[in-house]
Amino acid sequence: GAGVSQSPRYKVTKRGQDVTLRCDPISSHATLYWYQQALGQGPEFLTYFNYEAQPDKSGLPSDRFSAERPEGSISTLTIQRTEQRDSAMYRCASSLYRGPQETQYFGPGTRLLVL
Amino acid sequence: KQEVTQIPAALSVPEGENLVLNCSFTDSAIYNLQWFRQDPGKGLTSLLLIQSSQREQTSGRLNASLDKSSGRSTLYIAASQPGDSATYLCAANHLGSSNDYKLSFGAGTTVTVRA
Repeated sequence: GAGVSQSPRYKVTKRGQDVTLRCDPISSHATLYWYQQALGQGPEFLTYFNYEAQPDKSGLPSDRFSAERPEGSISTLTIQRTEQRDSAMYRCASSLYRGPQETQYFGPGTRLLVL
Repeated sequence: KQEVTQIPAALSVPEGENLVLNCSFTDSAIYNLQWFRQDPGKGLTSLLLIQSSQREQTSGRLNASLDKSSGRSTLYIAASQPGDSATYLCAANHLGSSNDYKLSFGAGTTVTVRA
């Protein structure tokens, strides 16, 4: 596609429910990133994929968080048993390849509110 | 752990004035330093990337400097316009705890340019 898209744009859920967020990267991009951005803060790295491989999950805050990219394109981020502290903007980004000089293109984000 | 700080948190200037945004980072072992622009409801947009071996990078009215040894970068925006109103984030690309490189972001400086 023309850019990175994310859905839903807003999600309100009750504490204890599971949520799944979706990211559709730029079609030619091999690498996909997930970030969590709290209000008034910068994005914090969660995990990334090279195609369908997930080499680094070190930023996932707990085992309630998981991400998939089974066919190397669309990715989902699932939060199980949501807690109020999970409320944040979740941003996805993609880059052509994995490399420190590669520009990351960010999507508009999904704003999650856990009541 | 890489800590990235941006000062000031917010800035309001009249149109035409030059903007100076500051970014500091604690670990000088970086691959590069990147500046992003964040607009409400949209993703982050990459503005400039300065390699660790460079002292500055320019794009139009934007100029970013890097002093790696002192852990500082400055973004200059000349002759500001109301369309420059946004949040500006800096990010240091460095080796993370998982022995893989990642972007660590500052909290951003929110700029308002008054017409």
